[in-house]
Amino acid sequence: EDQVTQSPEALRLQEGESSSLNCSYTVSGLRGLFWYRQDPGKGPEFLFTLYSAGEEKEKERLKATLTKKESFLHITAPKPEDSATYLCAVSHLSGSARQLTFGSGTQLTVLP
Amino acid sequence: GAVVSQHPSRVICKSGTSVKIECRSLDFQATTMFWYRQFPKQSLMLMATSNEGSKATYEQGVEKDKFLINHASLTLSTLTVTSAHPEDSSFYICSASFTGGTDTQYFGPGTRLTVL
Repeated sequence: EDQVTQSPEALRLQEGESSSLNCSYTVSGLRGLFWYRQDPGKGPEFLFTLYSAGEEKEKERLKATLTKKESFLHITAPKPEDSATYLCAVSHLSGSARQLTFGSGTQLTVLP
Repeated sequence: GAVVSQHPSRVICKSGTSVKIECRSLDFQATTMFWYRQFPKQSLMLMATSNEGSKATYEQGVEKDKFLINHASLTLSTLTVTSAHPEDSSFYICSASFTGGTDTQYFGPGTRLTVL
């Protein structure tokens, strides 16, 4: 059974203080690893898809990396508007449908 | 691109009534749509997978007679919560993936259901 574990559960940073969020996974045949951002009371917003170990993707202050066992979401010089819950998910086949298994998320708070 | 809408964004109903939630992909066709439920401070829990033109596939423990799903077109899926009770109060979120595309799911803004 696919498993996704995110750490830490919560992270408080000062504005400008860079850090990383971790997503470790166990999946039989990785089809894709996904990062989403979720603000309170809203649906998840797509950030990145990673498909193979060694792949990296960047968007503004965010950079996602992937190894065979885990993914990191690096946040460089964060701003208060980066505060949100960051969700990691892996894709797997269930019947003919491609489903996502989500981790429990990391709640990031960036203080001004 | 890849915009998914949900309607209504918030609904309050009395116990025993039925509530319908619409999920639309606005700028792409989605053969498959997904319905999730999210409790406070928890991650997303997949309820069912909705395929256009066929019956939805429900996850274990989800009552198909209580949560009716219809995927009538490539851009619209509906979730009807029948005979709602207070324990059905939750945040319901739909997602859609491109027909013939990657596994990436694009999520709607969610619907907050409160059953009194």
